[in-house]
Amino acid sequence: NAGVMQNPRHLVRRRGQEARLRCSPMKGHSHVYWYRQLPEEGLKFMVYLQKENIIDESGMPKERFSAEFPKEGPSILRIQQVVRGDSAAYFCASSPELAGITYEQFFGPGTRLTVL
Amino acid sequence: DQQVKQNSPSLSVQEGRISILNCDYTNSMFDYFLWYKKYPAEGPTFLISISSIKDKNEDGRFTVFLNKSAKHLSLHIVPSQPGDSAVYFCAASVRQGAQKLVFGQGTRLTINP
Repeated sequence: NAGVMQNPRHLVRRRGQEARLRCSPMKGHSHVYWYRQLPEEGLKFMVYLQKENIIDESGMPKERFSAEFPKEGPSILRIQQVVRGDSAAYFCASSPELAGITYEQFFGPGTRLTVL
Repeated sequence: DQQVKQNSPSLSVQEGRISILNCDYTNSMFDYFLWYKKYPAEGPTFLISISSIKDKNEDGRFTVFLNKSAKHLSLHIVPSQPGDSAVYFCAASVRQGAQKLVFGQGTRLTINP
């Protein structure tokens, strides 16, 4: 029973390039969340998705960032025209839907993005 | 606007003694609280949670206490073991409906042999 999978684990990009981060939730989980952790800080919520729907993107920067969770395949967090300030660890989490009640979220190992 | 605060960046405890990690929150809408443990280069691992209808939840060596009037929660680990050395994050959410977690800044716990 695999946990939350994220790839790549490490990603290096030059300023102006695009970064694509992938997340496969745990089997049976229909909710996906993306969080960002800057050095020496806590995790900050970015976006919450269900299959084919963005439910809450209140934590996502308005420009350059987008997320999707298609009917088939992993969730993708895309960062266009990366800047040095995007360097961080990006964590994906998933949770099951249990009669609309919040359940603990299970986290993947993260993708560490470095922008040169 | 830091809605969840962990005011101690680090804590050092002797092996076998009790570790107490603290967390304060400001948003009275939060009604579900969680503790996560994180090792370097790994994702957070869920430890224990508590709903606002309770004031205590226990799971083995881990106990979480919630004081709603003070908007304060704490995690007790007893006895502390070397493998407990990690960064601990408290998180809060609104329980109804799957909701985002709001995290504190974390406390680095070091257990000394």
